[in-house]
Amino acid sequence: DTAVSQTPKYLVTQMGNDKSIKCEQNLGHDTMYWYKQDSKKFLKIMFSYNNKELIINETVPNRFSPKSPDKAHLNLHINSLELGDSAVYFCASSLQGLQETQYFGPGTRLLVL
Amino acid sequence: GNSVTQMEGPVTLSEEAFLTINCTYTATGYPSLFWYVQYPGEGLQLLLKATKADDKGSNKGFEATYRKETTSFHLEKGSVQVSDSAVYFCALMDTGFQKLVFGTGTRLLVSP
Repeated sequence: DTAVSQTPKYLVTQMGNDKSIKCEQNLGHDTMYWYKQDSKKFLKIMFSYNNKELIINETVPNRFSPKSPDKAHLNLHINSLELGDSAVYFCASSLQGLQETQYFGPGTRLLVL
Repeated sequence: GNSVTQMEGPVTLSEEAFLTINCTYTATGYPSLFWYVQYPGEGLQLLLKATKADDKGSNKGFEATYRKETTSFHLEKGSVQVSDSAVYFCALMDTGFQKLVFGTGTRLLVSP
């Protein structure tokens, strides 16, 4: 059983479209995250939710809106996609606590044409 | 702010060679330190971690020691295998905001 799963794995779309990426974890964790990995492999956190509440919101354009319907899910909706949004998006989860390990999903490769 | 600096890659080695990937950090307080590995086409997996000074994390033959005096967490392995080819990320846990701050990653290529 996959601990942290994301769908879709690949997403190719046109500029200006709206798309969503879904994430689910079956680890019973309290906290979930979205990270963006650019073409140079640099990883940066975008959002973090704890028990469905937003805790971290880095300087991400407001075209990106995370939604957490319950503790096990954190979805990412992106409006008006731009070329620069092309990247790999990783979901992760952890138990609450400063030293807890984060477990990553397999990533969603988004290509905006 | 907190940051992590890793050596630039790619690091190219022959099988059974000794590996060192340097990692230094800048942080307030005493963050936990991590090494994550990303195999081609996959997500990140935790390789090892250390939560306080002088702790040594180890896993799958890889080791790293938390050195507060040099603010370093270098990754080492005595004898690499072709299957170790991957991108390795050093990271720290920002204790103020409970978020991982990653280095830029170092690609390791091991040839037979």
